[in-house]
Amino acid sequence: GAVVSQHPSRVICKSGTSVKIECRSLDFQATTMFWYRQFPKQSLMLMATSNEGSKATYEQGVEKDKFLINHASLTLSTLTVTSAHPEDSSFYICSARERTSGAETQYFGPGTRLLVL
Amino acid sequence: AQSVTQLGSHVSVSEGALVLLRCNYSSSVPPYLFWYVQYPNQGLQLLLKYTSAATLVKGINGFEAEFKKSETSFHLTKPSAHMSDAAEYFCAVSERGAQKLVFGQGTRLTINP
Repeated sequence: GAVVSQHPSRVICKSGTSVKIECRSLDFQATTMFWYRQFPKQSLMLMATSNEGSKATYEQGVEKDKFLINHASLTLSTLTVTSAHPEDSSFYICSARERTSGAETQYFGPGTRLLVL
Repeated sequence: AQSVTQLGSHVSVSEGALVLLRCNYSSSVPPYLFWYVQYPNQGLQLLLKYTSAATLVKGINGFEAEFKKSETSFHLTKPSAHMSDAAEYFCAVSERGAQKLVFGQGTRLTINP
C-alpha cells in the first residue's frame, strides 16, 4: 500500500516552454501533497505544500507564479514549471500524506528529472 | 525550530559489517522521526518511523533505529551490511500536528566487498 506515482519520470524541454508534472496517490487518499526539489548530491528542499481544494502554501524563496501547483482531487496534484530555464533543471519529487495517517508519514513518488536546454 | 543533523555525509563499511548512521535532531516538542532511503535516480522509500511507541523501532531490510530522548538522537543501525544497502539515507523530523518534514543533509552509504 501507500504507493505514489509521478509522470513523467524524465523530461527534456526547450528554454521558455512549460512543463507539467503529475503526482498521484494510487491506493490511498491524500489530503496533503508536497513538492520537493533536489539538486545533485544534496538533500530535499521543500517547495510547497498543497491541500486538496485550496491554494498551495509556498516556502520562502519559491516563486509561486513560476511553479504552479494544483491539487484538484484527493489523489492528484500537479506541478507546472512555467517558462522553464536551464536553472530550473533538477530532480522534482512529490510526496503524499495519507488521509488517515496519524503519524504524519509522507510517501514519496519516484521523482521526475527535468532538463531544460 | 526543528532541525536534523546527520553526522557524516559519507559512510563506508565492509560487506557483513555493522552499519551505523547517525542522526541528531532538535525539536521543542516530542517529535516524529523518520529514516528514508534513496537509491540513484529514485524517490524516497520509508525505512522506519518513530511515533512515540517503542523507542526501538524495527524497519524494513533489517534496519532498526533507537530513539534516545536524552541524547536527542535517532541513529540507524543494521547488524550486517549487504551490497544492496548502498544508497543515500535521510533522517527527517516533524512536529506532531505539523505538516512539514525537515530533512537532514543525507548520508551516502558505500559497501565494500
